[in-house]
Amino acid sequence: NAGVTQTPKFRVLKTGQSMTLLCAQDMNHEYMYWYRQDPGMGLRLIHYSVGEGTTAKGEVPDGYNVSRLKKQNFLLGLESAAPSQTSVYFCASSDRGTIYGYTFGSGTRLTVV
Amino acid sequence: GENVEQHPSTLSVQEGDSAVIKCTYSDSASNYFPWYKQELGKRPQLIIDIRSNVGEKKDQRIAVTLNKTAKHFSLHITETQPEDSAVYFCAAYMDSNYQLIWGAGTKLIIKP
Repeated sequence: NAGVTQTPKFRVLKTGQSMTLLCAQDMNHEYMYWYRQDPGMGLRLIHYSVGEGTTAKGEVPDGYNVSRLKKQNFLLGLESAAPSQTSVYFCASSDRGTIYGYTFGSGTRLTVV
Repeated sequence: GENVEQHPSTLSVQEGDSAVIKCTYSDSASNYFPWYKQELGKRPQLIIDIRSNVGEKKDQRIAVTLNKTAKHFSLHITETQPEDSAVYFCAAYMDSNYQLIWGAGTKLIIKP
């Protein structure tokens, strides 16, 4: 039981490049979330999903897209990376029945140069 | 929308003393209040939580209290130890929008 797994753990992109961050959970959780955390700051919600095939915008969705084609996976895409997207990205999931507690992945440290 | 305010932003206490972090929330429909601990370079981890039908919950050196009337909740850590040094986040949850609303975090420093 791996919990929530994020890949990759580290990435350096050049401005304008694209990439996809993968979040996979093996707990059969309904809800999944993508956050970004800038140095010394709190968590800001980018997008979230309340079930397979659903997505919704969070607090800071601009410049990102997401997809939830399979229940266990939640993908975060950057179409044209900008230096302002340099951050640590955390994925989290929670169970519908006990929707309160979040399980976080270990994070992806992204640097855009 | 829901807003969660957390104070203080930094808290420095002597090892062995107690630490208290306070949060207030704006929406009376919030019904779940977790606390997360984030060590440097690591993911946030749930340390304790409380639901709206409970006033206090304890787990060894950690306790959380909730005052629904005043819309505030607090984290209490007793007999602080060096490993308690971290950033602590409070949050409030509403069923209606499926999201946790997060406080800005408190950096807790334990002085030897």
